[in-house]
Amino acid sequence: DIQMTQSPSSLSASVGDRVTITCQATRDISNYLNWYQQKPGKAPKLLIYDGSNLETGVPSRFNGSGSGTDFTFTISSLQPEDIATYYCQQFDNLPYTFGQGTKLEI
Amino acid sequence: EVQLVESGGDLVQPGRSLRLSCTTSGFTFSDYAINWVRQAPGKGLEWVGLIRSTPYRGTTEYATSVEGRFIISRDDSAGIASLQMNGLKAEDTAVYYCARGYGAYKYWGQGTLVTVSS
Repeated sequence: DIQMTQSPSSLSASVGDRVTITCQATRDISNYLNWYQQKPGKAPKLLIYDGSNLETGVPSRFNGSGSGTDFTFTISSLQPEDIATYYCQQFDNLPYTFGQGTKLEI
Repeated sequence: EVQLVESGGDLVQPGRSLRLSCTTSGFTFSDYAINWVRQAPGKGLEWVGLIRSTPYRGTTEYATSVEGRFIISRDDSAGIASLQMNGLKAEDTAVYYCARGYGAYKYWGQGTLVTVSS
């Protein structure tokens, strides 16, 4: 199975900060990587698909980049509503696997 | 409007079985794969398995942790996907979500809680 390692596991930042989360795969997954946001008690929400494509309706302050084994997720200017846990997910190889999550706090 | 609604979650004893349903509407069900993803209390997301769409013969794939115990099926006429869980263990305790699609899951249900405990 492909393992996805997210870093950091938790992050405290201030409104307006630039926030960066990384995700590393144990082998090359091309750009078959998605990023999700999950708020407590809610289902995950797709933010970025295929490594860098912004899902429709998602604010442009969210950005994804990378390919191969190393990926980055960035929030350019943190907003209060961005408080959530963020997950990467690879879908290059079955079984599909998620990173362990990054809990973002203000 | 695309909707997925899970049901069937319950408190069940270890070793017993439980069947979850994912009832859908707002799209052509037979054209889409359905995935099951779970989340143990206070933990991260774990992909459980998928059933491919009918054009892809409705074949299934499972996570190693559930293979041989869980079975995913689909009823295209009713727009329902099911997750049959057998031989349940305490570590299967989680909120179970269904999600539409093969790679990126834009549509999810609200989840249903399964608790495995004596």
